[in-house]
Amino acid sequence: KQEVTQIPAALSVPEGENLVLNCSFTDSAIYNLQWFRQDPGKGLTSLLLIQSSQREQTSGRLNASLDKSSGRSTLYIAASQPGDSATYLCAVRPMDSSYKLIFGSGTRLLVRP
Amino acid sequence: EAGVTQFPSHSVIEKGQTVTLRCDPISGHDNLYWYRRVMGKEIKFLLHFVKESKQDESGMPNNRFLAERTGGTYSTLKVQPAELEDSGVYFCASSQEGYTEAFFGQGTRLTVV
Repeated sequence: KQEVTQIPAALSVPEGENLVLNCSFTDSAIYNLQWFRQDPGKGLTSLLLIQSSQREQTSGRLNASLDKSSGRSTLYIAASQPGDSATYLCAVRPMDSSYKLIFGSGTRLLVRP
Repeated sequence: EAGVTQFPSHSVIEKGQTVTLRCDPISGHDNLYWYRRVMGKEIKFLLHFVKESKQDESGMPNNRFLAERTGGTYSTLKVQPAELEDSGVYFCASSQEGYTEAFFGQGTRLTVV
C-alpha cells in the first residue's frame, strides 16, 4: 500500500532563505509525482508535475527533484518571500489503473518578513 | 480559460439531511475526480470518472454517497443522509488524461451539525 510522508510538518524561515521541503513514498511504482500549494481556505494550486522518467522540473524559483528508486522527492524554493507562505502538498500517482493521487499530510511554511 | 469550479463553497446542514455538491471540470477534461479531507487527515481519493463512466469508486466510504456525471460534463456528489463524520472539505479535480496534471477546484467545506 502506497504511503506518502512529508517532513517537516511545519517550517518557519526568514525572508530570502533558500529552503527544501521533503516528500517520501513507499512504493516506487508511480506514474508521476505532483507538488501543490494550498493557501488557507483555498483550493490546491498545481506547482510542478514530475514524470517517473524525469529527475527534476523547474518553474521560476521552484525546483522539484525525483529519485524514484529511493522513494524521495524534494521541492526547493529559492529566495523565499512572504507570499510563499502556504501549505505545500506532494502527491504520487501509483502505477495502477485508477490514476488516483495519494497525498502526504503537507508542510506548513511560514516565511517571515 | 475557466478552472475547476465547485459550489457551494460552504454548506452547513443538520445530521440526516441531504446535500448535493457540484463540480464543473475544465472544458475538454474527460477525467474527473472527487477527493475529501476530513479533520486532521490527509486528502483522500473518493472516485474517478472517465467521461460519464465510473472508473474507480474504491474510495467512496459507504452507500450514503452517490456520485454522478451527467453526459460526461459536470458532476454531482450527493450525501444522503449526512452524518457528523462526513464533515470536511470536498475537492474536485480534472485532468485531460488519467496520468496527466490534475487541476483542483477550491473545494466545498461541508459541516454537518
